[in-house]
Amino acid sequence: DQQVKQNSPSLSVQEGRISILNCDYTNSMFDYFLWYKKYPAEGPTFLISISSIKDKNEDGRFTVFLNKSAKHLSLHIVPSQPGDSAVYFCAASAQGGSEKLVFGKGTKLTVNP
Amino acid sequence: DAGVIQSPRHEVTEMGQEVTLRCKPISGHNSLFWYRQTMMRGLELLIYFNNNVPIDDSGMPEDRFSAKMPNASFSTLKIQPSEPRDSAVYFCASSFYGVRAGFFGQGTRLTVV
Repeated sequence: DQQVKQNSPSLSVQEGRISILNCDYTNSMFDYFLWYKKYPAEGPTFLISISSIKDKNEDGRFTVFLNKSAKHLSLHIVPSQPGDSAVYFCAASAQGGSEKLVFGKGTKLTVNP
Repeated sequence: DAGVIQSPRHEVTEMGQEVTLRCKPISGHNSLFWYRQTMMRGLELLIYFNNNVPIDDSGMPEDRFSAKMPNASFSTLKIQPSEPRDSAVYFCASSFYGVRAGFFGQGTRLTVV
């Protein structure tokens, strides 16, 4: 059973527009959520995170929103740039298992010039 | 810092052979993680160490897989004997203890024929 789900395998967006990547989770014990970005032939790179005590965290063009009641989080990229084209992974960790991350399968974002 | 260093970058081996993947974590980091990425299962945690001690190996698929961390600067993941279904990209990541966002290496692409 997948505890972290990214239901959209791919997303295509025009440069300058908003990209919204979605993630759902099932485990109510998750209390910390992360987004990683991955370019081909490279390892994932940490992008932004959010604790379950917050509902929003912002870092430059990247904002993560958390809706605990819906067990849903989303990553907003505004404005999108061609260099943002990559695979984005959502990850979560549970109380008591702090370092153990459970990843979604990823969403491939393509930003068209 | 050079980041997390994995070797080899690519490995092609025949079914039944022993395979050893290597990882050098970022200096000073005391948590180390081994992940496997496949199309079917996505990115999944195999095992992680804190201060060279294995903490959770519940993700190790079978007894054919073993991991060691003899010191703070080196870890190995061994598959013996290897099988075609072990073909995947294996990532190593490291972090400071308690920090949930790890730094990933570039991965080892393993192909078992």
